[in-house]
Amino acid sequence: DAMVIQNPRYQVTQFGKPVTLSCSQTLNHNVMYWYQQKSSQAPKLLFHYYDKDFNNEADTPDNFQSRRPNTSFCFLDIRSPGLGDAAMYLCATSRDGTEETQYFGPGTRLLVL
Amino acid sequence: AQKITQTQPGMFVQEKEAVTLDCTYDTSDPSYGLFWYKQPSSGEMIFLIYQGSYDQQNATEGRYSLNFQKARKSANLVISASQLGDSAMYFCAMSLSGTYKYIFGTGTRLKVLA
Repeated sequence: DAMVIQNPRYQVTQFGKPVTLSCSQTLNHNVMYWYQQKSSQAPKLLFHYYDKDFNNEADTPDNFQSRRPNTSFCFLDIRSPGLGDAAMYLCATSRDGTEETQYFGPGTRLLVL
Repeated sequence: AQKITQTQPGMFVQEKEAVTLDCTYDTSDPSYGLFWYKQPSSGEMIFLIYQGSYDQQNATEGRYSLNFQKARKSANLVISASQLGDSAMYFCAMSLSGTYKYIFGTGTRLKVLA
């Protein structure tokens, strides 16, 4: 089945220790998104790629970076995680145009000790 | 400014009954999409149903239907014959015209009672 895959499902890191979350998709979608979701809140968009064009949200902290080496894979790098970065991180894809349905992966829960 | 409002933080429904989750939106754009997602406690956001602003008929997907009232700017989700597995958080979202972004509502937590 075509899908969005996120690894790992749970990630524990230490305060200040860089961490990378990964996302892959078999849908061959052009657009990939990273969201941060804290408890009982709506997802918050961090950035998205249209193909290789990177689009950062204005309020995304510099501590968050992303890479998309090819159509299938996208990575979220947190350079120096703080306690406030503990959250669920959701990857999503959409096919091509605007107003398209976004399909989400299962998410990675990040715990910062 | 574009906005999505979900006024019900929590809802209870008896198993096998129908339930309506409210969603109102605000936009001045003529073209937009409206979406509903289900998020169980596991965290995955599951796409349920889509309604385009130009669609004449209400969208339906199995037990899910979207009651689209354009003049009232509402896009309520109706779940028929509720099941225990429907217990989850439900988010209404709207696409922003000309962008790849969504606006999400604050969500409604649904609990189905046996």
